[in-house]
Amino acid sequence: AQSVTQPDIHITVSEGASLELRCNYSYGATPYLFWYVQSPGQGLQLLLKYFSGDTLVQGIKGFEAEFKRSQSSFNLRKPSVHWSDAAEYFCAVGARGFQKLVFGTGTRLLVSP
Amino acid sequence: EPEVTQTPSHQVTQMGQEVILRCVPISNHLYFYWYRQILGQKVEFLVSFYNNEISEKSEIFDDQFSVERPDGSNFTLKIRSTKLEDSAMYFCASSDQGAQTGELFFGEGSRLTVL
Repeated sequence: AQSVTQPDIHITVSEGASLELRCNYSYGATPYLFWYVQSPGQGLQLLLKYFSGDTLVQGIKGFEAEFKRSQSSFNLRKPSVHWSDAAEYFCAVGARGFQKLVFGTGTRLLVSP
Repeated sequence: EPEVTQTPSHQVTQMGQEVILRCVPISNHLYFYWYRQILGQKVEFLVSFYNNEISEKSEIFDDQFSVERPDGSNFTLKIRSTKLEDSAMYFCASSDQGAQTGELFFGEGSRLTVL
C-alpha cells in the first residue's frame, strides 16, 4: 500500500527566502506524485504533478518539485517565497490502476516579513 | 473559472442523525470523489464514482455511507447514522480524466460536527 510522509509539520520562512518542503513516499512501483496547496477556507489546489519523464517538474505559482527514485522523495521547492504562499501544503501519491490518492499529513508554511 | 461547489459549508448534527452533503462537480467532468480530513489528521480517500457507480472505496466507507448522483449535476454523500468520529471536513472532488492522469479539482469542503 502507498504511504506518504511529510516530516515537517510547520515551517517558517522569511519572505524572499528559498523554500523546500519534504515529501517521502512508499510505493513498490513508479508512483504518480502530486503537491496540493490549501489556503485558509479554500479547497485543495493542484500545484504540480509527476507521472513520468523529466524528474524535475514545474508547477504554478513558481513552484517546482524533483522526483528522486533512489530517495523515494518528491520535495517541493520555490526560490523566493511571497507572503501569499502562506498555506498548508500536501504531498500525495497515486498508484497506477487506482483512483484514490494517498495524502501526507501536510506542512503548514508560515511566511515572516 | 469552473469550480466544484459544496453545501453546506458547515453542518452541526446530533449523533445518530442522517446527514447529506452536497456537491456540484465541474460540468464536463466524469469522475467524482469524496475525501475527508479529521481535524489535525491527513486527508483520506473515501470513495470514487464513475459511470454512475462506485469505482473504488476505502475501508472507511462502510455501510453507513452512500453516494449518489441523483440528477446529473449533484453528487451527494449520505451518512446514515452519524457517529462522533464522523466529525471532519469532507471534500468533494471531480476530474475529467480520473486521478491517474488528470487533475482533481476540489471544493472548499463541508465541515461536519457531530455532537
